[in-house]
Amino acid sequence: DADVTQTPRNRITKTGKRIMLECSQTKGHDRMYWYRQDPGLGLRLIYYSFDVKDINKGEISDGYSVSRQAQAKFSLSLESAIPNQTALYFCATGAQGAGQETQYFGPGTRLLVL
Amino acid sequence: GEDVEQSLFLSVREGDSSVINCTYTDSSSTYLYWYKQEPGAGLQLLTYIFSNMDMKQDQRLTVLLNKKDKHLSLRIADTQTGDSAIYFCAESDSWGKFQFGAGTQVVVTP
Repeated sequence: DADVTQTPRNRITKTGKRIMLECSQTKGHDRMYWYRQDPGLGLRLIYYSFDVKDINKGEISDGYSVSRQAQAKFSLSLESAIPNQTALYFCATGAQGAGQETQYFGPGTRLLVL
Repeated sequence: GEDVEQSLFLSVREGDSSVINCTYTDSSSTYLYWYKQEPGAGLQLLTYIFSNMDMKQDQRLTVLLNKKDKHLSLRIADTQTGDSAIYFCAESDSWGKFQFGAGTQVVVTP
């Protein structure tokens, strides 16, 4: 079974709709992240959470919100989707060890906003 | 702001060595990473190097770090078709915040 799962894997929605992308992990990590991937731009950080009570904005948080419902769950919401939010979205968890952090990625959610 | 830059594309013949280059600007980077993304999948960690090291070898992978020039490279020896993927360079600071490059698409030809 996958350690980091994302639902849905693919989603098509219309401009103005509210949608939620969900992420669950079984790795027991405190740190969780949401990124979006666009061709030629790599991964950009949207939000991150270092524990259940901690939420931080990343590089491109405008238009997004998150909820850390439990250690294992971190959801990303688009309150009113717009076409330039069409992208591939990745959730990741982070584990620190010996001063460095390894990030473990989910399989991604491909979102198309029409 | 911090930037991580990589060339976008590399074509290599099967059996040859591949070298993927990366430059970064954040001098406070503590660790530098190489991730691999295969089609339809998330990123997987390949290897990482601590910022006070200059080389790390792991089987077919060799990471070289020139901290003075803020240049990181990944060499893949005896490149195979299964090495075709997008390779991301990334850096993290002491707080665990990551910055990723745009990724280098590596295509291995027979």
